[in-house]
Amino acid sequence: AQKITQTQPGMFVQEKEAVTLDCTYDTSDQSYGLFWYKQPSSGEMIFLIYQGSYDEQNATEGRYSLNFQKARKSANLVISASQLGDSAMYFCAMRETEYGNKLVFGAGTILRVKS
Amino acid sequence: KAGVTQTPRYLIKTRGQQVTLSCSPISGHRSVSWYQQTPGQGLQFLFEYFSETQRNKGNFPGRFSGRQFSNSRSEMNVSTLELGDSALYLCASSLSGGTSLSEQYFGPGTRLTVT
Repeated sequence: AQKITQTQPGMFVQEKEAVTLDCTYDTSDQSYGLFWYKQPSSGEMIFLIYQGSYDEQNATEGRYSLNFQKARKSANLVISASQLGDSAMYFCAMRETEYGNKLVFGAGTILRVKS
Repeated sequence: KAGVTQTPRYLIKTRGQQVTLSCSPISGHRSVSWYQQTPGQGLQFLFEYFSETQRNKGNFPGRFSGRQFSNSRSEMNVSTLELGDSALYLCASSLSGGTSLSEQYFGPGTRLTVT
């Protein structure tokens, strides 16, 4: 069964420092995709980064990178040089090929950036 | 390119009533998925539509239904509203609905309150 686990309910980080948000997943499918979304207090889900199960390189998008360790089934999000605007809820999600576009989400991690 | 739009943004209904929510995907996107977000259950998949056909369905009662039009716009209907239906309803659009693991983009959501 598909499952996403985010073990950190909340995290604090000092402005300009890097932070890692943890995500582990469980799937029996060989073809799947992993996503990270940011949800500010406004509620909108903002797509951050995507990693395919067959991608050999870790995905990067600006200050966001995804530390993909397939054998460990982990897909941690690394935010470099944190900014105050990074304060939000962060969700890890997975999609398996056989389920079309259905996303399974983790419980989320609230990130607070301190000045 | 315009993003995903959802209407209305806020809605207050009474128990027993029904409600229809609308989602317009990004131009050219043919897949629309719906999610319910509550503090207790987190983000849960409702259903996905692709080319006017329901492709996947989550574990929700039959009171929750949806449809997709030929222009890819989608509507979600909830009949006989219950207090527990109070939630943020998010829709997501994606270019493909098949095996391609393309990115999904979310709308701002409709916040439904049932009194």
